[in-house]
Amino acid sequence: EAGVTQFPSHSVIEKGQTVTLRCDPISGHDNLYWYRRVMGKEIKFLLHFVKESKQDESGMPNNRFLAERTGGTYSTLKVQPAELEDSGVYFCASSHTAGDYEQYFGPGTRLTVT
Amino acid sequence: AQSVTQLGSHVSVSEGALVLLRCNYSSSVPPYLFWYVQYPNQGLQLLLKYTSAATLVKGINGFEAEFKKSETSFHLTKPSAHMSDAAEYFCAVREYGGSQGNLIFGKGTKLSVKP
Repeated sequence: EAGVTQFPSHSVIEKGQTVTLRCDPISGHDNLYWYRRVMGKEIKFLLHFVKESKQDESGMPNNRFLAERTGGTYSTLKVQPAELEDSGVYFCASSHTAGDYEQYFGPGTRLTVT
Repeated sequence: AQSVTQLGSHVSVSEGALVLLRCNYSSSVPPYLFWYVQYPNQGLQLLLKYTSAATLVKGINGFEAEFKKSETSFHLTKPSAHMSDAAEYFCAVREYGGSQGNLIFGKGTKLSVKP
């Protein structure tokens, strides 16, 4: 069974540009989570999808961040326009149900905004 | 609000020595607690979890953790460190309410193992 995959693994962009991160959850997992780790800080929750619907987006920093989950499969997280403080590692995780105690994490996308 | 504190951003032990990584939590309700490990260039992998059953939880790779309500702690231990244990370890608590599933993490502890 394939794990959670994320693309790209690294992205370096200039301030003001747009970047789109992609996450492919484990097949059949309805729940998809995005987290972010800014350097030196803890991993923080961004949002939670159940199938294609946003269940909770309370962790999204501001309206420069837009997340979508097409057809309840893969998800994208777009940052537009990117700012320096957006740099960090973006993790995606999935679980079969919200009640599952284990979330399966992807390797993360390291975003550097210069 | 729930929170997690990991004492020590870096811990170094010798191979064969005891590993002790500390985690304290804050929660007004019985918590679900987790330890995750991240090896270089990999995603987070679940080591073990506490979900209100036995207070001593055994996980993968010889790790275990004990839930102590009176101390609000969930420290991770391993009797004998191996070089392959070098990684970053994260303690997390599952958030109640909200979307019922998102995790609140500590800042992580990097474990180094010396030969």
